[in-house]
Amino acid sequence: DIQMTQSPSSLSASVGDRITITCRASQTISTFLNWYQHKPGKAPKVLIYAASNLQSGVPSRFSGSGSGTDFTLTISSLQPDDFATYYCQQSYITPWTFGQGTKVEIK
Amino acid sequence: QLQLQESGPGLVKPSETLSLTCTVSGGSISNSSYYWVWMRQSPGKGLEWIGSIYYSGSTYYNPSLKRRVTIAVDTSKNQFSLKLSSVTAADTALYFCARRSLWLVYYYMDVWGQGTTVTVSS
Repeated sequence: DIQMTQSPSSLSASVGDRITITCRASQTISTFLNWYQHKPGKAPKVLIYAASNLQSGVPSRFSGSGSGTDFTLTISSLQPDDFATYYCQQSYITPWTFGQGTKVEIK
Repeated sequence: QLQLQESGPGLVKPSETLSLTCTVSGGSISNSSYYWVWMRQSPGKGLEWIGSIYYSGSTYYNPSLKRRVTIAVDTSKNQFSLKLSSVTAADTALYFCARRSLWLVYYYMDVWGQGTTVTVSS
C-alpha cells in the first residue's frame, strides 16, 4: 500500500495567517492527490482534487500544488471557518490511502 | 442537492456482523457516472478505504478487509450497504459513505455522509 505522511500533525494559527500543510507519498503518485476538510460531526468536504484543482464552491484562499511524491495545501488567509482537520488522499492505486490528518487550531 | 446518510446499529458484539446502510437522496444511485464508497476512521488507523460499488453491483474492496467485507446496492431503495463479519474491537470506528466522482482520469470523493459511530463491545 502507498503510505501518505502529513506534516505537521497539528498547528496553531491565527485568523489571517497563511498556512501550509504538506503530504508525502511513499512512492510516486503523479498528481493523483486529493485534499479534504473535516469538522467533528460534519460530512468531510473535498477541497482540492488532482493535486491542484479547486472543487466548485471552495473559496479561492485554498490552493494545492505538487506532483510525484510531495504535495502541499495552502490556505492564504485563515478564516474562522477553516479551523478543522485536513487530510490528503491518494487515488493513484487501490487501496486508496489517506494521510493521518493535520488539525488546525486557533492560536 | 445530493445527500448521503448512514444508518445502522451503534453497538455490535465481537465476532458478529456489522451492518450499515447508506441512503442516497437528491439523486439516483443508478447514475452511471459514479461509484459509491465506504470508508472508516478509527483512532488507531486514521481514515481507511473499505470498498466501492457501482450501481450494477460491481465491487472492489480493500485487500486488508476483503475476506470479511460485502458491499451491496439496492437501486429500488436508492441505498447501498456494508456488511463486515467477525468484528473485533479494532473495527470500532466512525463509518462514512461517499460518492466517488471522476474528472478525466482522477477519482475523488465529492459527497460524503456525516458518518455513524460503531462500537464493537460485549
